[in-house]
Amino acid sequence: AQKITQTQPGMFVQEKEAVTLDCTYDTSDPSYGLFWYKQPSSGEMIFLIYQGSYDQQNATEGRYSLNFQKARKSANLVISASQLGDSAMYFCAMKHEGGKLIFGQGTELSVKP
Amino acid sequence: ETGVTQTPRHLVMGMTNKKSLKCEQHLGHNAMYWYKQSAKKPLELMFVYSLEERVENNSVPSRFSPECPNSSHLFLHLHTLQPEDSALYLCASSHADRAGGELFFGEGSRLTVL
Repeated sequence: AQKITQTQPGMFVQEKEAVTLDCTYDTSDPSYGLFWYKQPSSGEMIFLIYQGSYDQQNATEGRYSLNFQKARKSANLVISASQLGDSAMYFCAMKHEGGKLIFGQGTELSVKP
Repeated sequence: ETGVTQTPRHLVMGMTNKKSLKCEQHLGHNAMYWYKQSAKKPLELMFVYSLEERVENNSVPSRFSPECPNSSHLFLHLHTLQPEDSALYLCASSHADRAGGELFFGEGSRLTVL
């Protein structure tokens, strides 16, 4: 069965510090994609970063990087130099060919000034 | 500015009403989705349309009826809803045949059922 698990319901980080949001997944399919989305209080889901199962290097997008450990089936999101605007819900998700995207429970990040 | 537009953004309806949520995408995608997000729960996939055919229906009650007239438009028709159906309904689109094609989401329609 395909499953995404985020074990941190809430996280706090000091402004300008780095924070890691955990995500583990379970799948028997060799081809899959891993995604992180940000959901501010306004509701829209904003795509942050993508990692393909065959990618050799960890994905990076500006202040976001994905720590992909395939053998451990983990895809943690690292946000460097946190900003107040980073306060939001963060969702890890997984997608196979065919387009079905499944989400974890989410982690609420609060950035303190 | 999102390429996926949802209307209305907010909807309040009684249990006997009939209403529809609309979603429109201008990204050239060929798959569209409805997700339900209730408080303190992960997003739940409701329906998937790929190339205008419904390919996924996750045991959604029949009081929710999707319609996909073309690859750019998706509707969710609502009738005789229950208070527990109150939630944020998110529409998304993507390229259907890629594991790496991210979903682009609309801003959601927040539904309250009285």
